[in-house]
Amino acid sequence: TQLLEQSPQFLSIQEGENLTVYCNSSSVFSSLQWYRQEPGEGPVLLVTVVTGGEVKKLKRLTFQFGDARKDSSLHITAAQPGDTGLYLCAGDSGGGADGLTFGKGTHLIIQP
Amino acid sequence: ETGVTQTPRHLVMGMTNKKSLKCEQHLGHNAMYWYKQSAKKPLELMFVYSLEERVENNSVPSRFSPECPNSSHLFLHLHTLQPEDSALYLCASSHELVGQGNTGELFFGEGSRLTVL
Repeated sequence: TQLLEQSPQFLSIQEGENLTVYCNSSSVFSSLQWYRQEPGEGPVLLVTVVTGGEVKKLKRLTFQFGDARKDSSLHITAAQPGDTGLYLCAGDSGGGADGLTFGKGTHLIIQP
Repeated sequence: ETGVTQTPRHLVMGMTNKKSLKCEQHLGHNAMYWYKQSAKKPLELMFVYSLEERVENNSVPSRFSPECPNSSHLFLHLHTLQPEDSALYLCASSHELVGQGNTGELFFGEGSRLTVL
């Protein structure tokens, strides 16, 4: 069974601070996605990374896929209250109709 | 309407009740999924349908019964549930099946919050 470990589980910081959350596995994934889920809503895709070492930027969010395609990080610069939510990473093993493997998520709270 | 719609948003049921969750997608997608989201656990894939055919059943107890009458609708029939089945049940759709290296995106509904008493 492939597992994705996300850390930290919970993070509460002040508006304007920077932060990084991590998604790690001992397994290789053909691609990895990050979703954000706000209270009372379903997860929404933020980004998909495919190539080892790939870096993608989405405004103040920077996503990186590890060289070995086993891990990923999400860095937020100058966090804002609107960034509050549950951040989920999901990996595609590429091996069959297993859907995606999800991590438990990082609960992020940005305090004004 | 657009996107993925789930009803009801909230459901409270006793262990002897029979109820159903409904999901409808207006995106023209070919694949639909049921996920279970519990506190402190990863999203658990329950059922996968592609072109109305079930392609995955991850050892889900028989008290959960899916139905996919067409590519736009997905149901989850519930009967004799247990309190530990209380969770958020998320429906999702995708253009093609994900998990096969095609980097597809899952589009989720808002979920049905189920409480079993």
